[in-house]
Order: sequence, then structure tokens, then C-alpha cells
Amino acid sequence: AQTVTQSQPEMSVQEAETVTLSCTYDTSESDYYLFWYKQPPSRQMILVIRQEAYKQQNATENRFSVNFQKAAKSFSLKISDSQLGDAAMYFCAYRTLRGSQGNLIFGKGTKLSVKP
Amino acid sequence: EPEVTQTPSHQVTQMGQEVILRCVPISNHLYFYWYRQILGQKVEFLVSFYNNEISEKSEIFDDQFSVERPDGSNFTLKIRSTKLEDSAMYFCASSLLRENQPQHFGDGTRLSIL
Repeated sequence: AQTVTQSQPEMSVQEAETVTLSCTYDTSESDYYLFWYKQPPSRQMILVIRQEAYKQQNATENRFSVNFQKAAKSFSLKISDSQLGDAAMYFCAYRTLRGSQGNLIFGKGTKLSVKP
Repeated sequence: EPEVTQTPSHQVTQMGQEVILRCVPISNHLYFYWYRQILGQKVEFLVSFYNNEISEKSEIFDDQFSVERPDGSNFTLKIRSTKLEDSAMYFCASSLLRENQPQHFGDGTRLSIL
């Protein structure tokens, strides 16, 4: 069974600085999707960025980018020029491409605080 | 932008009672999901639903749970006889396709069992 591990329960970053959130996963599959979701306090989870495992190029969305290391099964999220609105819980998630399984497997999350 | 909406935002129920959590997925989406998050723990998959039937369910989703799409817009999760350990945030999600389309989540319903 696949597992997702986020080893940093909490992180803090100064506004305008860069922060990297870690995520590792375990799978025997070669094709899958990886996601980072953001959950602001009392709000819904919002997709931040996604990566297809067959793509070697790291995904980028504006200030958000990933460092996808397939061999190491690592999928870290880098937030550049951090803003106060980036403060949230961040969840790393895995999704298989196999069969009918479309469900996401989540890590425990990292709570990011942004200091003004 | 269309959103997934969930009602109620907070539900308090006595142990042993039935509870129904409601979700309105995004209108043109085809896949629907329920997840739950017990306080301090991971978000866990419960069930996925497609073409009016369950496509996958986790071991958490036992006989006490059921899902239904009673009309063209609502997607409900019923817990038949609630237990204390059912206390959690329950998230509904929907996606247009299963493959590379992201799942869009609702705000969640906080279920508290007394």
C-alpha cells in the first residue's frame, strides 16, 4: 500500500522569504500523480500544484514549485516570496493511476506560519 | 468559480443516532468522494462514487456508512448508528474525470458525537 509522509508538523517563514516543505512517499508503482493541497484555516482544501510521475520536469505554478525526485520518492514544495496569505496547512497527496482507484492518499500535513 | 458546498458546517449528534452529511458537487463533475480527518490525524479516504455506484471504498467505510446521489445535484453520506470515534471533519470532493483532473474539495462538515 502507498504511504505519504510529511516529516515537518510545523514550519515558519518570514514574509518575502523562501520555504521548502518536505514530502516523501512509498510506492511500487511507476506511474502516479502527486499533489500539494493548501488548507487555510476554516476553509476548503485548494489544489496548489500537481506532478505527473512520468514527467521529469518539475511542475511550477507562479511562486510555487516542486522538487520531484522520483528515485528518492521525494516531492518537496518550494514557496518563494512568501506572503501572509500563504499561511495554511499544506498536504502532500498521492494518487495511483491503476484500476478504478482515484482516491487521494494524504500525508499528515505541515502547518505553515508566515511572519510579517 | 464553481465550488463544492457542504452542509451543515457543524453537526452535533448523540451516539447511536443516524446522521446525514450533504454535499453539492460541482455541476459537471462525474466523480465524487468522501474523506474524513480525525483531529490531529491524516485526511483519510472513505469512498468514491461514479455512475451512480460506489467505485471504491476503504476499510473505514463499513456497513454503518452509505452514500447516495438522490437527485442530480446532491451527494450524501449517511452514518447509520454513530459512534464516538466517528467524530471528525468530513470532506466531500468532486472531479470532472478521474485521471489527471484535480479533486475539488468542500469546506467540510465537523461532526461531533456526544
